[in-house]
Amino acid sequence: LAKTTQPISMDSYEGQEVNITCSHNNIATNDYITWYQQFPSQGPRFIIQGYKTKVTNEVASLFIPADRKSSTLSLPRVSLSDTAVYYCLVAPDKGYSTLTFGKGTMLLVSP
Amino acid sequence: DSGVTQTPKHLITATGQRVTLRCSPRSGDLSVYWYQQSLDQGLQFLIQYYNGEERAKGNILERFSAQQFPDLHSELNLSSLELGDSALYFCASSVGGSGGAGETQYFGPGTRLLVL
Repeated sequence: LAKTTQPISMDSYEGQEVNITCSHNNIATNDYITWYQQFPSQGPRFIIQGYKTKVTNEVASLFIPADRKSSTLSLPRVSLSDTAVYYCLVAPDKGYSTLTFGKGTMLLVSP
Repeated sequence: DSGVTQTPKHLITATGQRVTLRCSPRSGDLSVYWYQQSLDQGLQFLIQYYNGEERAKGNILERFSAQQFPDLHSELNLSSLELGDSALYFCASSVGGSGGAGETQYFGPGTRLLVL
């Protein structure tokens, strides 16, 4: 399974755009990149998933460069309620594999 | 609300005891996953069941066991409890059994276990 590396923590202010980058240098051809969000004392929640280029949904955008060795989760105009841990995961889409959650990135949004 | 329910929400017990955690998946989901989250280890995958059968095993101790019943609910049994077993235990469910990125996992609210 591809190992991921992401910052342990990030700080931001309300209204700012936040970009969290994840490195996955040994990503395989059939791996997808998925991000989960976890609020304190709650279970993780799926945010977004992509394979290459850019994916956008109502919550976030995911930018994946052509070499796919990294990806960036972009949260537009964060609010206090975006304070959470964000996990980057890499796993194949088809065929069996378990999801490996690392330590994630703790995002703290201040007023 | 993810649609996954877990009981109890909190559990306090003593070392050496045995406890059972229960999980009901979202309606229509056939897979159930169990995770342990402690402060120092992060979120660790324990085991997955798909339609009653064990599908994958992670870092699950021999003192721990799980099963999935015909109605698809699952139970995680923790025995000979140690102080280090204190953690949040999450259950997640997904539609299919392939795990991986193709299956979005929906997590329950967790059971907080405290072993004294």
